[in-house]
Amino acid sequence: AQKVTQAQTEISVVEKEDVTLDCVYETRDTTYYLFWYKQPPSGELVFLIRRNSFDEQNEISGRYSWNFQKSTSSFNFTITASQVVDSAVYFCALSEAGRGADGLTFGKGTHLIIQP
Amino acid sequence: EAGVAQSPRYKIIEKRQSVAFWCNPISGHATLYWYQQILGQGPKLLIQFQNNGVVDDSQLPKDRFSAERLKGVDSTLKIQPAKLEDSAVYLCASSFQRDSYEQYFGPGTRLTVT
Repeated sequence: AQKVTQAQTEISVVEKEDVTLDCVYETRDTTYYLFWYKQPPSGELVFLIRRNSFDEQNEISGRYSWNFQKSTSSFNFTITASQVVDSAVYFCALSEAGRGADGLTFGKGTHLIIQP
Repeated sequence: EAGVAQSPRYKIIEKRQSVAFWCNPISGHATLYWYQQILGQGPKLLIQFQNNGVVDDSQLPKDRFSAERLKGVDSTLKIQPAKLEDSAVYLCASSFQRDSYEQYFGPGTRLTVT
């Protein structure tokens, strides 16, 4: 069965610090997709990134970067020069392709607090 | 482009009552999902539709929960009868198609069962 573990329940940093959110996943499939979503205090989940299991290239989007390592089953998310607006709960999620059903399995989330 | 719409936004009911939630996905999105998010946890998939057919309902408590997507567009999720543990936010999401395309989420319906 698939599983996503976000061991960090809450992280608090001061603005402008870099912060990394950890995500470890378990799956028996060779083809799968990994996602990160942001859930600000308003509650709506915002899509950040989707990565398939065959693409291990790291990705950078502005202040956000993602490090995918199949060898350790990890898909970590780094925010550089954090800002107060980055405060939110961040979820890592997994979808197993190939069986038709592709609902997401989410981790429990990491509550990120950026202090001014 | 309009996002995923859900109503109502909030609902308070007593246990053993019934309740229904409505979702209108992004135009053109064939795949629709319902998730349950209990406070402090990540969302959990309840059911997935592809057009008007059910793809996955393995985690739907079928003794009390039901869902339909009759014309392949809007969807309704119903709980009857509600239990205290059903208190949660019910999220609807849609995606262009299957194969794990990104899912776009609605604002959710916060249900409180007293």
